[in-house]
Amino acid sequence: GAVVSQHPSWVICKSGTSVKIECRSLDFQATTMFWYRQFPKQSLMLMATSNEGSKATYEQGVEKDKFLINHASLTLSTLTVTSAHPEDSSFYICSARDLGRTTGELFFGEGSRLTVL
Amino acid sequence: SQQGEEDPQALSIQEGENATMNCSYKTSINNLQWYRQNSGRGLVHLILIRSNEREKHSGRLRVTLDTSKKSSSLLITASRAADTASYFCATETGAQKLVFGQGTRLTINP
Repeated sequence: GAVVSQHPSWVICKSGTSVKIECRSLDFQATTMFWYRQFPKQSLMLMATSNEGSKATYEQGVEKDKFLINHASLTLSTLTVTSAHPEDSSFYICSARDLGRTTGELFFGEGSRLTVL
Repeated sequence: SQQGEEDPQALSIQEGENATMNCSYKTSINNLQWYRQNSGRGLVHLILIRSNEREKHSGRLRVTLDTSKKSSSLLITASRAADTASYFCATETGAQKLVFGQGTRLTINP
């Protein structure tokens, strides 16, 4: 099946620093990837849609200058949390759809747990 | 934004029993999907049902969709301890993005 790799799986950083999370589709190309945020025992909140070669589309209420998304190739999207603060601590999950399939499901990375001290 | 409401929020049953989870949504959809998430992990796709379908089966899973009531149910038969996880419904609209429900935390007691 299609595999999405996310790195790092966990990261601890100091307040004010920036953290980059990578999302790679390993065996398929993805023109679109999706970034979600999940708080403990809660659902996934869509943050933004990452589009290869163009600007990301952010959901209402998500600060685009805070959460920088770059989709430089058909297999890689990155999310950079800039000037991170403790309230940015969360579980971030990326997903992608394999356009070579007609089944329509999303394939998810294993998530990245960010802790900001 | 959240579209789906799931019911119940938590469910605890004995191994071997059937587990039923419900999902309601608000807007028209292209399809509805169910995902499973083990604690602290990514999501795994279980089953997709299109808006013109009413029922779908996959192994021990049975999904129904009632577009007139904007609701869906996921039935897991003959539950196993390994089925313990959170289950989320997600709806796809014309924008091709998935909006997830609140999820049901399922615990299967051995």
